[in-house]
Formats: sequence, structure tokens, C-alpha cells
Amino acid sequence: SYVLSQAPSVSVAPGQTATMTCDGDNIGRKFVHWYQQKPGQAPVLVMYYDSDRPSGIPERFSGSNSGTTATLTISRVEAGDEADYYCQIWDSGTDYFYVFGTGTRLIVL
Amino acid sequence: QVQLQESGPGVVKSSQTLSLSCSVSGGSISSDGYYWTWIRQHPGKGLEWIGHIYHTGNTRYIPSLRGRIAMSVDTSENHFSLRLTSVTAADTAVYYCARGTDFRGQPYIDYWGQGTLVTVSS
Repeated sequence: SYVLSQAPSVSVAPGQTATMTCDGDNIGRKFVHWYQQKPGQAPVLVMYYDSDRPSGIPERFSGSNSGTTATLTISRVEAGDEADYYCQIWDSGTDYFYVFGTGTRLIVL
Repeated sequence: QVQLQESGPGVVKSSQTLSLSCSVSGGSISSDGYYWTWIRQHPGKGLEWIGHIYHTGNTRYIPSLRGRIAMSVDTSENHFSLRLTSVTAADTAVYYCARGTDFRGQPYIDYWGQGTLVTVSS
């Protein structure tokens, strides 16, 4: 099955830029979607089709995808951005249709 | 604004059947292009897609649960359901119902229910 790998955690100071990556075989050939999950809450879509932002998601959130790495970038990080972030692809090549990454915890120092 | 709400027992005895329902409001479950999805999250772990159903009744399940899982959809009541038989402690998780949206052949989840914790007890 297709595997998406994410760093367990990323730490950043308020006002700085957080970069979270999602690695997968030829992931650049797929669309990658990103979710934010705060403790005790359901996930929220923050990026879809690599770099499209849903309405209500700040412009500070941006995404890219190329080669073997997709990236979610949060500029001017705020305390409220602290959460787990999961990448996701749709893998129609196997029986696992939705594949989620392992998740990255963003820690705002 | 589409809203999804899970309902069902929070505790299920080992070897019994887990049954959850998801009520959809703010949109029709019969609309084309949407996959009605169940995702679970084991305590302290990541997200795991376990299956989805289309309004036509077509289903896809994660292979590890085949033989134990079944989903159904009720278009007249605008809800869909999950049944998981012969549960064990490994099925203890927060279960989310969600809507998968697909406009480019590679869908994503745009709406989630709040999630419901199901604990399998011995």
C-alpha cells in the first residue's frame, strides 16, 4: 500500500514560518490534501489539490507538491495554529483509497 | 453548510456488533460526486479511512476489515450507517463520518462529523 511519511513534530516560534512535509513515492503526480486537527476536535481541511485554500482558511497557509515531497507552509505562525497536520492522497491503485500521512504535530514555542 | 452527526452507543462488548449512524443536513446525500465516508482514529494515533458508500449503494472498504464491515445508505432519511461485527479492543477508536468530495478524480474530505468515541469492553 502507498505510504505517506511525515515528521513527528515541527517547532516554530510565533511569527516565524512553519514548513511541514509529506513524503511519498512520486507524490508529485498525485493531488495532496491537508487537514488540521486540534486536540479533541475533528480534522479541518486546510488545503486541497496541493495548493487550494478552502474558504475561511487564512492566506498564511500555502501548499506545494513536486517530486517525492508535498509541503504545507504556514507563514507568521500564531499560537492558534498549534495542532496535528495530516496529509492525504487518493490512491486508486490499491484497495486503500484514502491514504493519510502519519501526521505532524506543530508546536508553537 | 453541510453538517454531519454521528450517533450510536459509546460502549460495545467484545465480539458484538458496532453500529453507528450518520445524519446529514444542509445537503442531499443523493447528490453526485460525494462519497459518504467513515474514518476512525485510535486513541493517540493517526487517521484511518475504513470505507465509504456512494448514494447508489456502491461501497469500498479497507481490506483489513472486509468480512466484518458493512455500510448502508438511506437516501429518504438522508443518513448512512456503519456496522462492524465481531469487535475487539483493537476497534476502540473515535469514529468520524465525513463527506468525500471529488471534482478531479482525487477526492478529499470537506466535511466531518464531530466524531464519536466507541470503546470495546470485555
